Amino acid sequence: QKEVEQNSGPLSVPEGAIASLNCTYSDRGSQSFFWYRQYSGKSPELIMFIYSNGDKEDGRFTAQLNKASQYVSLLIRDSQPSDSATYLCAGLNPGSARQLTFGSGTQLTVLP
Amino acid sequence: GAVVSQHPSRVICKSGTSVKIECRSLDFQATTMFWYRQFPKQSLMLMATSNEGSKATYEQGVEKDKFLINHASLTLSTLTVTSAHPEDSSFYICSASQGVSRGYTFGSGTRLTVV
Repeated sequence: QKEVEQNSGPLSVPEGAIASLNCTYSDRGSQSFFWYRQYSGKSPELIMFIYSNGDKEDGRFTAQLNKASQYVSLLIRDSQPSDSATYLCAGLNPGSARQLTFGSGTQLTVLP
Repeated sequence: GAVVSQHPSRVICKSGTSVKIECRSLDFQATTMFWYRQFPKQSLMLMATSNEGSKATYEQGVEKDKFLINHASLTLSTLTVTSAHPEDSSFYICSASQGVSRGYTFGSGTRLTVV
């Protein structure tokens, strides 16, 4: 069964700190991974996607993918209170269905 | 960027009635759309994959006769919750993609409350 697991949290960090969110996956066939942010009562919004081993940076966000160890992470530098949300990791299932499998999400709170 | 419009955002209906939720891709064509359901403090659960011009593919445990999906055009998919019951109350979200490299865009979601 294809699974995506996230550290359950909740996670609290002080404003300005680095928030580290982690995700592991069981299907070695999964090639692409997505990080979404979801505010309470809202639908998810895409932050980043990554499909190559290594790091991918976009502003304060860095996604890391390690296919050998089957983990994906998201680092948020200079965390802001507005970053407080639930972060969802998703893996793209291989094959023609192109479905995403979501982790359970990690609730992040950035304390002012 | 890709925009997916979903309506209504909130609906309250009586038990036993049916509710239709629309999902539109506004600036791109989507041959495939996805319908998710999310209960409070839980992650998104894929209900079905909607395919333009053909039958939807339902996930295990999702009743196809209860959750009717129609994807009649490249920009519109609808989900109809038939004979709704209080346990169907949930947050329903659709998504579509312009291509894997652009990620999957979600609609704004529909909060369904069955009373």
